[in-house]
Amino acid sequence: NAGVTQTPKFRVLKTGQSMTLLCAQDMNHEYMYWYRQDPGMGLRLIHYSVGEGTTAKGEVPDGYNVSRLKKQNFLLGLESAAPSQTSVYFCASTRHQTGGRTEAFFGQGTRLTVV
Amino acid sequence: KQEVTQIPAALSVPEGENLVLNCSFTDSAIYNLQWFRQDPGKGLTSLLLIQSSQREQTSGRLNASLDKSSGRSTLYIAASQPGDSATYLCAVRPGSGGSNYKLTFGKGTLLTVNP
Repeated sequence: NAGVTQTPKFRVLKTGQSMTLLCAQDMNHEYMYWYRQDPGMGLRLIHYSVGEGTTAKGEVPDGYNVSRLKKQNFLLGLESAAPSQTSVYFCASTRHQTGGRTEAFFGQGTRLTVV
Repeated sequence: KQEVTQIPAALSVPEGENLVLNCSFTDSAIYNLQWFRQDPGKGLTSLLLIQSSQREQTSGRLNASLDKSSGRSTLYIAASQPGDSATYLCAVRPGSGGSNYKLTFGKGTLLTVNP
């Protein structure tokens, strides 16, 4: 099972360049998320989606945009990259279940460096 | 605002030792709590999910407990092995309103098991 797949795994950008990170899940999950992980800061939620065609802001949304045109894909865009966006980005997905059984599954991460 | 704290930040033990990792959270109204493992440069792997109605969950040498009233969870690792070396993260999902799909993470405990 592929689970949650992120593309690319590594990328170096110059300040001001744009790029899109792709997250794909094959588990038919309704909810998808983008997190960034920084030393000393832990994992912080950037944006999330509760279904196809819907997105919402998380804790640290500035400088990022997202789209969820298909249920299985969640795209994270950086329109004008800044060095502060150097981080490891993780995508996750969940299927909402009753009784507290909602479990999150994560991709392998994208390591982005902005120079 | 939910805050999740993990103590200690780092732990080094000799092989074979039993150990306990701690996770505390400020808002006891949680939907569930999830323990993850993260190897260097890798994504998060789900270890155990404890529903709000449960007291503990077990998987192999791992046992996670939950005390909602005191805002605490522990991850017990029996007979530790060098392969257990990793960062362990706990995350809570809120139990109220429409936001119960968002996880709040602790900053993790870096575990090193020495041969």
